[in-house]
Amino acid sequence: GNSVTQMEGPVTLSEEAFLTINCTYTATGYPSLFWYVQYPGEGLQLLLKATKADDKGSNKGFEATYRKETTSFHLEKGSVQVSDSAVYFCALRAPTAGNMLTFGGGTRLMVKP
Amino acid sequence: DTAVSQTPKYLVTQMGNDKSIKCEQNLGHDTMYWYKQDSKKFLKIMFSYNNKELIINETVPNRFSPKSPDKAHLNLHINSLELGDSAVYFCASSQDVLSRTDTQYFGPGTRLTVL
Repeated sequence: GNSVTQMEGPVTLSEEAFLTINCTYTATGYPSLFWYVQYPGEGLQLLLKATKADDKGSNKGFEATYRKETTSFHLEKGSVQVSDSAVYFCALRAPTAGNMLTFGGGTRLMVKP
Repeated sequence: DTAVSQTPKYLVTQMGNDKSIKCEQNLGHDTMYWYKQDSKKFLKIMFSYNNKELIINETVPNRFSPKSPDKAHLNLHINSLELGDSAVYFCASSQDVLSRTDTQYFGPGTRLTVL
């Protein structure tokens, strides 16, 4: 079946540090890949997405590249801010799963001033 | 304007009670979903409705019954609540469940606590 594996958190960084949150997936067919962010006390918001191999999704300084050869979709940001503190979820959507989202376990990011 | 809204935001109740959570979307989407997020933040799909018809039911106990009066609303009714039902429940919607590039938009969540 389909699955998504994320690095376990929490990830604690100082402001302006470089961020990488690893995400790898297992899927049959050709999934679309997503990163969602959940700020404290709020629902999930779509951060970025990529729908085919080598696509790069980007938003608010965050980037992730769909790597089919390594089945990965790592999230990166060059300089994090305190306001980026949140839980980040990697997810895939594959036709073989009825196009339902399959989520990773989430990675909590804490950015200190 | 709130795209996907849920009520209530918090729900505290006793074991054995019956409760409902309401969800509405004003995006004109055809598909709506319910997800459960446990205490470890793990998210799992519970139900999916497309144009008021159930298309996904992921091994959820019969005590959970979704109801879709129209395609803008998907309510979740839970009978005989148990301690293990305590979680945050998220509603979501998307335009076209048949498209693999489709994007789901989430509500703010309802935190259910069963005592």
